[in-house]
Amino acid sequence: DGGITQSPKYLFRKEGQNVTLSCEQNLNHDAMYWYRQDPGQGLRLIYYSQIVNDFQKGDIAEGYSVSREKKESFPLTVTSAQKNPTAFYLCASSTRGLGNQPQHFGDGTRLSIL
Amino acid sequence: EDQVTQSPEALRLQEGESSSLNCSYTVSGLRGLFWYRQDPGKGPEFLFTLYSAGEEKEKERLKATLTKKESFLHITAPKPEDSATYLCAVYNYGQNFVFGPGTRLSVLP
Repeated sequence: DGGITQSPKYLFRKEGQNVTLSCEQNLNHDAMYWYRQDPGQGLRLIYYSQIVNDFQKGDIAEGYSVSREKKESFPLTVTSAQKNPTAFYLCASSTRGLGNQPQHFGDGTRLSIL
Repeated sequence: EDQVTQSPEALRLQEGESSSLNCSYTVSGLRGLFWYRQDPGKGPEFLFTLYSAGEEKEKERLKATLTKKESFLHITAPKPEDSATYLCAVYNYGQNFVFGPGTRLSVLP
């Protein structure tokens, strides 16, 4: 079945540590996105990519980095510069980059601080 | 600044008790409005896209409608399995998706 796979489901970060969240899709979608979800707030866009080897900052990119070396993969690194990383992270994809087509989401990674 | 609000924040219904969820938006130019369902610990699941005022979409017990300022998600005779958080998002001419905070729906048997 086609879909988006995020791993791990749960992740713990120590002070000063970088951690990487995985996102893989087999929907043949061109565009991929990373969102952060905090209780009581809407999803906030961290980074997005419309094509391989190209990505753009979203509203809250500080303290995060991404790469898009393959169409299927869009990993997110939470760096030590992100001082409040505890959140639920969601990866999504769509047929067109930021077009008016629905986004399809993975089941998220919950990141906590040790 | 583009903004999406949803009301109520939480809603408890008895099984079979119909109701509506509201999504109000102020955006620079609406190109699409999306409804999603999100279960605890899961990613949002796409439900509907609405593109223009007056448009309606239906799926089982759910019906979404759109005006120039808001959208409603009508739930007819809900069942406990309809319990979830319902998210609304808009896509604007600035080429950004803006999500609302969601409405947490509980349907009691």
